[in-house]
Amino acid sequence: ETGVTQTPRHLVMGMTNKKSLKCEQHLGHNAMYWYKQSAKKPLELMFVYNFKEQTENNSVPSRFSPECPNSSHLFLHLHTLQPEDSALYLCASSQDTSGYEQYFGPGTRLTVT
Amino acid sequence: GENVEQHPSTLSVQEGDSAVIKCTYSDSASNYFPWYKQELGKGPQLIIDIRSNVGEKKDQRIAVTLNKTAKHFSLHITETQPEDSAVYFCAATDSWGKLQFGAGTQVVVTP
Repeated sequence: ETGVTQTPRHLVMGMTNKKSLKCEQHLGHNAMYWYKQSAKKPLELMFVYNFKEQTENNSVPSRFSPECPNSSHLFLHLHTLQPEDSALYLCASSQDTSGYEQYFGPGTRLTVT
Repeated sequence: GENVEQHPSTLSVQEGDSAVIKCTYSDSASNYFPWYKQELGKGPQLIIDIRSNVGEKKDQRIAVTLNKTAKHFSLHITETQPEDSAVYFCAATDSWGKLQFGAGTQVVVTP
């Protein structure tokens, strides 16, 4: 395993629900990322955190709300999602935000009904 | 911004043969080029990377080549095995250090 864990692995939620995705890294890294992976499309960067501070919000709708309480944990809070938000949500971490050596978790498969 | 194109989208090879995946990028400032392997139900796994000051890097059966002048880089897998079957992604850093990914190549190794 890569040292990056994500829970839950699968999530089905209705459009009016509120849920949260959790990511934890055991690599001593300082940067953490959320990516969205949809079928037949390149990975889309959503958010970047460096030393707990958000450094990138890639024009993500406000129904996705990230939280980074410390350098080891990252959350993605979800509310009033749309069916097109169904995708694999991947967390990654790296030593810094240079782009080098990002390590990914297994992802959360999200289905919005 | 950076644009990374990856070809082919699918690649079927006979076990023991070689596989080659090619990527092009647009940002001349890109200086880091990783390759990821994603198996079914798993996240992308970093398998090899190359920096712009190197033209080639090899790790056992996999190798990556970089042509900065032409802005393209390639992944080479030799002596393919069934466990090499997966989706492979290339990526390149943009001017702000963010990774831009290709759309992926589904590699199928048939016995």
